[in-house]
Amino acid sequence: QQQVKQSPQSLIVQKGGISIINCAYENTAFDYFPWYQQFPGKGPALLIAIRPDVSEKKEGRFTISFNKSAKQFSLHIMDSQPGDSATYFCAASIYGATNKLIFGTGTLLAVQP
Amino acid sequence: GAVVSQHPSRVICKSGTSVKIECRSLDFQATTMFWYRQFPKKSLMLMATSNEGSKATYEQGVEKDKFLINHASLTLSTLTVTSAHPEDSSFYICSARSPGQGGGYGYGYTFGSGTRLTVV
Repeated sequence: QQQVKQSPQSLIVQKGGISIINCAYENTAFDYFPWYQQFPGKGPALLIAIRPDVSEKKEGRFTISFNKSAKQFSLHIMDSQPGDSATYFCAASIYGATNKLIFGTGTLLAVQP
Repeated sequence: GAVVSQHPSRVICKSGTSVKIECRSLDFQATTMFWYRQFPKKSLMLMATSNEGSKATYEQGVEKDKFLINHASLTLSTLTVTSAHPEDSSFYICSARSPGQGGGYGYGYTFGSGTRLTVV
């Protein structure tokens, strides 16, 4: 119940294309869903986050779509660029002071020029 | 924004020795910090949650005596890998609950830059 399932494991997209990464969760107590970007040898950095009171959130080229009834959420990267090539992790937590973040398995994105 | 500083970034140690990794919140007080371990091309695996002034809470399967965590102040948590062996070689990352870093929400999680531990 604590798992967050993420797909695909890897993704190749042409420059200018749309990258889509999907995640699913089981624990209905989760109410905070961030996405992180990680470059090799670095720690994860927050891209965008959403809570269940909205179905979509957009920040620049990044959009989270959230389906509460299906317990699924996804990251869309519009106009993908080679600089977006990185590993992306979805995550989930219960939004509280000491609650831990549960990570998805990660998606390695390669944007080809 | 909130910054978490992690040191060292890389460390090589001999088998049987101990290594300490520091995680500092530079511009905020972190009552809760988290330690993760990451294997190559894998996800982050939570090892433990440390709370300032109290004992750390370890995840199932993580050896408390092997991975000592101390959170003695509101800005510093340390992870000590005791009697390190080659199988402890990994990328260790700390994180802190941080204000204003929730992506538009009040709180989020800020990560350090990680420590690459190699035990030879």
